[in-house]
Amino acid sequence: DAGVIQSPRHEVTEMGQEVTLRCKPISGHNSLFWYRQTMMRGLELLIYFNNNVPIDDSGMPEDRFSAKMPNASFSTLKIQPSEPRDSAVYFCASSFGGSAKNIQYFGAGTRLSVL
Amino acid sequence: GESVGLHLPTLSVQEGDNSIINCAYSNSASDYFIWYKQESGKGPQFIIDIRSNMDKRQGQRVTVLLNKTVKHLSLQIAATQPGDSAVYFCAEGGGSGGYNKLIFGAGTRLAVHP
Repeated sequence: DAGVIQSPRHEVTEMGQEVTLRCKPISGHNSLFWYRQTMMRGLELLIYFNNNVPIDDSGMPEDRFSAKMPNASFSTLKIQPSEPRDSAVYFCASSFGGSAKNIQYFGAGTRLSVL
Repeated sequence: GESVGLHLPTLSVQEGDNSIINCAYSNSASDYFIWYKQESGKGPQFIIDIRSNMDKRQGQRVTVLLNKTVKHLSLQIAATQPGDSAVYFCAEGGGSGGYNKLIFGAGTRLAVHP
């Protein structure tokens, strides 16, 4: 089983540039989550999808952030324009269920550095 | 335990000893709890979970204890090994946020010494 696949693993960009992070969830999972991890704020949920539909985006910090899930096997998180304070590790996770319990399986993350 | 800011609390143990990692959760309405392990450069990895109708649950070398009265969760690791060195996160779910919206603690770093 391949697990959650994220790309790229590392991204270095300059302030003002557009950044696109990609995620392929585990096949058969119907929920997908985007998190951001920093030393100061820990692991924060940005947005999650159920059956490709965005359910809760209250964690998205600003309008510069957007996420899409065009189909069950692919999602993107876009930052435009990027700023140095967006530097963090971004994780994608997926799960099946969402009723009695929800084990989220995480990808390896994308480390983003905005210079 | 929990921590706020730059510095994670660190638990240092000798290889072979038992480890106990503590977590205080915030929402009394939460009824689902989960522990994750995160090794350097990797994503969080599921370890064990527990529902609020249980006080204890055991896995392989790990035990989770839940005390709802004081909103406290602990993870016990038996015979700690060097491979257990990582940051451990507790997370709570259920309540008004539902089971999709897990709230993660700040994490505890476990350092295992030979």
